[in-house]
Amino acid sequence: EPEVTQTPSHQVTQMGQEVILRCVPISNHLYFYWYRQILGQKVEFLVSFYNNEISEKSEIFDDQFSVERPDGSNFTLKIRSTKLEDSAMYFCASSEASGTYEQYFGPGTRLTVT
Amino acid sequence: RKEVEQDPGPFNVPEGATVAFNCTYSNSASQSFFWYRQDCRKEPKLLMSVYSSGNEDGRFTAQLNRASQYISLLIRDSKLSDSATYLCVVNSPPSRGSNYQLIWGAGTKLIIKP
Repeated sequence: EPEVTQTPSHQVTQMGQEVILRCVPISNHLYFYWYRQILGQKVEFLVSFYNNEISEKSEIFDDQFSVERPDGSNFTLKIRSTKLEDSAMYFCASSEASGTYEQYFGPGTRLTVT
Repeated sequence: RKEVEQDPGPFNVPEGATVAFNCTYSNSASQSFFWYRQDCRKEPKLLMSVYSSGNEDGRFTAQLNRASQYISLLIRDSKLSDSATYLCVVNSPPSRGSNYQLIWGAGTKLIIKP
């Protein structure tokens, strides 16, 4: 069964450093998403991406964040100048289409900012 | 009012019992509804989509009441492996972009006891 994969599983970084979280969505999916979940809190939408551009983003997704699909398989989330409050699980998801279609999640990257 | 509201629980239920979760949503324009389950420190996994006519998948039954903006999930003959957090997810029309956004409830924690 095809699945979304994410690397690394755990990333530790110092405050102020840049991190890149990587995702390989399911191959025939066209829509890609990043979510975050702070420990003990709910899943929060960050951004959706389609046709090589951002199609929707939340208030959380400010200038500190950027996304890219550098090749035909990878989808990355870059966080510039990380802050302590960026510590969270970051989930990548993909879907065949937007709207009513189900999204499938990767296992997540646990980001710890010290 | 929260966009998607759930009782946080925990629900402590003996094995074999029937348990019901409820969820309310605020945006009447929402079109798609899902139940996900999330195990501790794992990614959300799609449990089932919720259709207007109601749908059943084995021991799981989901129902939607658009008039009351209410979704339910019923688990019959609960198993120890059903212990998890159950997340109610509703799609929301785009505010700026073109993609519907998934809005997540905070989840209801279920603990099945032997």
